[in-house]
Amino acid sequence: QVQLVQSGPEVKKSGASLKVSCKASGYTFTNHGISWVRQAPGKGLEWMGWISLYNNNLNYGQKFQGRVTLTTDTSTSTVYMELRNLNSDDTAVYYCAREIVVVPSTVYFDSWGQGTLVTVSS
Amino acid sequence: SFVLTQPPSVSVAPGQTATITCGGKNIGSKGVNWYRQRPGQAPLLVVYHNADRPSGIPERFSGSNSGNTATLTISRVEAGDEADYFCQVWDSSSDHSRVFGGGTKLTVL
Repeated sequence: QVQLVQSGPEVKKSGASLKVSCKASGYTFTNHGISWVRQAPGKGLEWMGWISLYNNNLNYGQKFQGRVTLTTDTSTSTVYMELRNLNSDDTAVYYCAREIVVVPSTVYFDSWGQGTLVTVSS
Repeated sequence: SFVLTQPPSVSVAPGQTATITCGGKNIGSKGVNWYRQRPGQAPLLVVYHNADRPSGIPERFSGSNSGNTATLTISRVEAGDEADYFCQVWDSSSDHSRVFGGGTKLTVL
């Protein structure tokens, strides 16, 4: 079965960088893109960016442009999300999610990681 | 980018029908997906591509999408349906971002 397993919780200082991993299993890694979504405490879901595991194409949300980088390690079926220059507003649970595309107009997330709690303190 | 608007809360008695809306400009031209999120859990896909259900999701969950409003309908509501529900689309006409609605808290009375 499809599984996305994320790295553990993190505590960071303001101004630091964060790198969260998402290891995929149960399917052909390069067949589906991975998105990252975050959720601040008591708030809604916020899309951060997407990476294609087929050709490493990228698409970042405008809010995160210049501060987030998505990378992959195909040898271990792992996707990484790096977020730089952290501040208290980045305190959130970060999720990776597998994407399914239904042309021409639908992209949805059929499997999610368990989430990684990131706490940023000053 | 594209904006999706959901009511913050919906309340319904057990056994009744819950209707959760998701508004957006000409959303009927896009594929809408719905997720359920229980406290402390990751989101779970309950409806995709407007009206399709993943395996394991009861037939009580259905979706529709037309004009400027998409709708998630939950029939014969049960206590276990109490959760936050989020709609989501792909903004293929603009910056290709994935967009979520603000979420609706479904309370089972």
